[in-house]
Amino acid sequence: EAGVAQSPRYKIIEKRQSVAFWCNPISGHATLYWYQQILGQGPKLLIQFQNNGVVDDSQLPKDRFSAERLKGVDSTLKIQPAKLEDSAVYLCASSLAGANVLTFGAGSRLTVL
Amino acid sequence: DAKTTQPPSMDCAEGRAANLPCNHSTISGNEYVYWYRQIHSQGPQYIIHGLKNNETNEMASLIITEDRKSSTLILPHATLRDTAVYYCIVRATGDYKLSFGAGTTVTVRA
Repeated sequence: EAGVAQSPRYKIIEKRQSVAFWCNPISGHATLYWYQQILGQGPKLLIQFQNNGVVDDSQLPKDRFSAERLKGVDSTLKIQPAKLEDSAVYLCASSLAGANVLTFGAGSRLTVL
Repeated sequence: DAKTTQPPSMDCAEGRAANLPCNHSTISGNEYVYWYRQIHSQGPQYIIHGLKNNETNEMASLIITEDRKSSTLILPHATLRDTAVYYCIVRATGDYKLSFGAGTTVTVRA
């Protein structure tokens, strides 16, 4: 089966600019996650969707980050305006509803200058 | 607030078994132990999980102590491709959040 697709793989922007990342989960996976991984640290959950509804966004900096999953399939994560500390890899993962195992994409690496 | 403790790094010789320890002394009765690994420039990859019995699959074996306060992931014949950061995570049934700590950086040397 095809894996979790993410794009772009790399993005460099100036601070205060905006950026968007796209994720296409594995077909049939109802649950979708966005994680942020800062260099040298483990991934940190930003937001979790079940179909097109938000299950957990307690760690999402809502003043600048937003995410949507309008049709319960693809998802986008947006940062506006970006700060230097947003430099990180943004990982998308998906799983079957109620499943124990997450499948991750390769991630989108963001550098904010 | 990490629920697990892992050594920050360890080396292993190619072809030898790699034994990765993890302490989870506050684990609850309904919490499973999961292991993921992350190879450089890739997303984390699921390896194995267990509740209290030892588990084995094509990638690794998981040994959980009888009191469930610690576990060991065993890579039976480490190869250079096993060089990665290995994460030990505890997660309750019905809790969909996967919380990562810093993990153990495993370097397999030829």
